[in-house]
This record gives sequence, C-alpha cells and structure tokens, in this order.
Amino acid sequence: QTVVTQEPSFSVSPGGTVTLTCGLTSGSVSTKYHPSWYQQTPGQAPRTVIYNTNTRSSGVPDRFSGSILGNKAALTITGAQADDESDYYCVLYMSGIWVSGGGTKLSVL
Amino acid sequence: EVQLVESGGGLVQPGGSLRLSCAASGFTFSGAWMHWVRQVPGKALVWVSLINGGGSSTTYADSVKGRFTISRDNAKNTLYLQMNSLRVEDAAVYFCVWGMNYGYIYWGQGALVTVSS
Repeated sequence: QTVVTQEPSFSVSPGGTVTLTCGLTSGSVSTKYHPSWYQQTPGQAPRTVIYNTNTRSSGVPDRFSGSILGNKAALTITGAQADDESDYYCVLYMSGIWVSGGGTKLSVL
Repeated sequence: EVQLVESGGGLVQPGGSLRLSCAASGFTFSGAWMHWVRQVPGKALVWVSLINGGGSSTTYADSVKGRFTISRDNAKNTLYLQMNSLRVEDAAVYFCVWGMNYGYIYWGQGALVTVSS
C-alpha cells in the first residue's frame, strides 16, 4: 500500500524561506495526483492553501507557492511570518480517492 | 461569503446510527461536488465520501462503504451523511467540504462524532 509522506516537523526563522514536501513510499508525485495543501491550527478547521499543484486558494498570500520538485510535491513559503506556524497537510488524488499525508508541524522561530 | 455549517454530531454507541447535515450558502450548491472528510485531532485528513452536484454519482472510502450514505437536497442547499453500524474507529471530527479541481476548497467548521459505550 502506497503511503503519502511528509516531514513530521520543520522550523523556519521569521522572514526565511521553507519548502515542505509531499512524497510517496512507492513512485513519484506528479501533476496527475493534483497535489493540494492545507493549513491547520489546533482546534480549527483546515484552510486550503494550494490546490491542483500550484493554484492558490482565494485570499492566500502570494508568499505561498506550490510546485513539483523532483519526485515530490512541494509547498514553499517565502518570507515566513509568525502566523504561518501551523500544521500543513498534503493530499493527493489517487485512482478515485484522496489520500493525506500525516502532516508537517511548522514552527516559525 | 461561502459558508458550510455542519450539525448532527454527538455521542453514539457502537452499532448505532447518526446523520450529519451540512447547510451551504454563498455559492451555487447544486453545481458543487461535495466531500465529507474526517479527522482524529492531530492526525491525517481522511476522505470519506464524494457526491456530484446533481446527486447521481457517489463514491466512498472502503472503510465506510456499505455503512455510510452521502446524499444532498439541492432545494435546501444541504448535504447529508447517514452513518450506520458505527464503530469506535469512526470517531472523529467530520468536515463538509466543497471540492473543485481534485482538491478541497472550502471547509465547514466540523462536527464531532464520538462512538463509545
């Protein structure tokens, strides 16, 4: 069974740039998986950041960008701010179902 | 403004039933593909089910197939999830989500389902 992988945790300095990745235990992520990214703080519903690889959701600042880097999907935050500190989940569309990674806890410090 | 408001969550015994509702506003509900997604707090987002705009096409995760039924009433702008034969492992926060372009776009605030004796 193929599993979606994400870094468990990551840290970035305020103003810095960070790239979170989303891979597969078997195979490469490509645009056919329509990768999407969701931001969530404790006790809140997720908020859509990126869908369909690189489309920013309404109201999302342009410091967030999505791409394919090598064999993984990537979420890059350029100029990180304190309120970017959240859990980030990647979701891939795989043969008619949507599969999430376990999430990356991003610290901004 | 897009709003999705879930209701119907609560405590149910194993083997019991529960029906979640999601009231939608701020967009053309009848044209929207809608998902149910669940999450144990701190864990991954788990896709549960999808229904097309007209209600004629539905899909389910294997873990809920045969026990859960997704439906919608476009006249009432409301999405439903009928959950039968509930198991302890079905306990989670259930989110109603508007889907587009193979992604989740707008989320409700969630409804907590607890399955315990």
